[in-house]
Amino acid sequence: SQQGEEDPQALSIQEGENATMNCSYKTSINNLQWYRQNSGRGLVHLILIRSNEREKHSGRLRVTLDTSKKSSSLLITASRAADTASYFCATDYNQGGKLIFGQGTELSVKP
Amino acid sequence: EPEVTQTPSHQVTQMGQEVILRCVPISNHLYFYWYRQILGQKVEFLVSFYNNEISEKSEIFDDQFSVERPDGSNFTLKIRSTKLEDSAMYFCASGTEINYGYTFGSGTRLTVV
Repeated sequence: SQQGEEDPQALSIQEGENATMNCSYKTSINNLQWYRQNSGRGLVHLILIRSNEREKHSGRLRVTLDTSKKSSSLLITASRAADTASYFCATDYNQGGKLIFGQGTELSVKP
Repeated sequence: EPEVTQTPSHQVTQMGQEVILRCVPISNHLYFYWYRQILGQKVEFLVSFYNNEISEKSEIFDDQFSVERPDGSNFTLKIRSTKLEDSAMYFCASGTEINYGYTFGSGTRLTVV
């Protein structure tokens, strides 16, 4: 299976704390993307990291990619209650843009 | 900010009926996708569409499914003879290039009864 796996499946933190979510995958990739999904809503693209990149930042988001371990992490710093959502990693396995999604991490940020 | 628009937001249909899910991708995008998410499960790839033809499809995308761009702006997913297990959230997505992120629509929740 090419599908990625995220851990933890659920994460509960207090507002102001950092949240770290991890994603692992199985074969070589073209890029890895992180998406957010609020309950019952659409997917919002957060950040894309290419296979030749190791770290990327966007606002309070920091993504790392370790191709030797076939893993990525998403760090949300200084979390807010509005960050409560499910977070998915999705990999493009050099297959023309098709994304393979992980199971997701359900993040709950308590005010 | 440009959006991908999907209609309807919720569709209820009888088993065996045909449904058409509609999407208006962002106007300068070239790559179009349909994904689905069964409640509580992963988002699954269905089909990709580029240059007016299917570029890739998953094993889920069998003869029951079809896609088209009837007028150069809309992008539709047709499901013939719906089954109970087709109940899911269906997402349309579009993008400018392969190595960029995609913009997803808000989804159509399909309920087959």
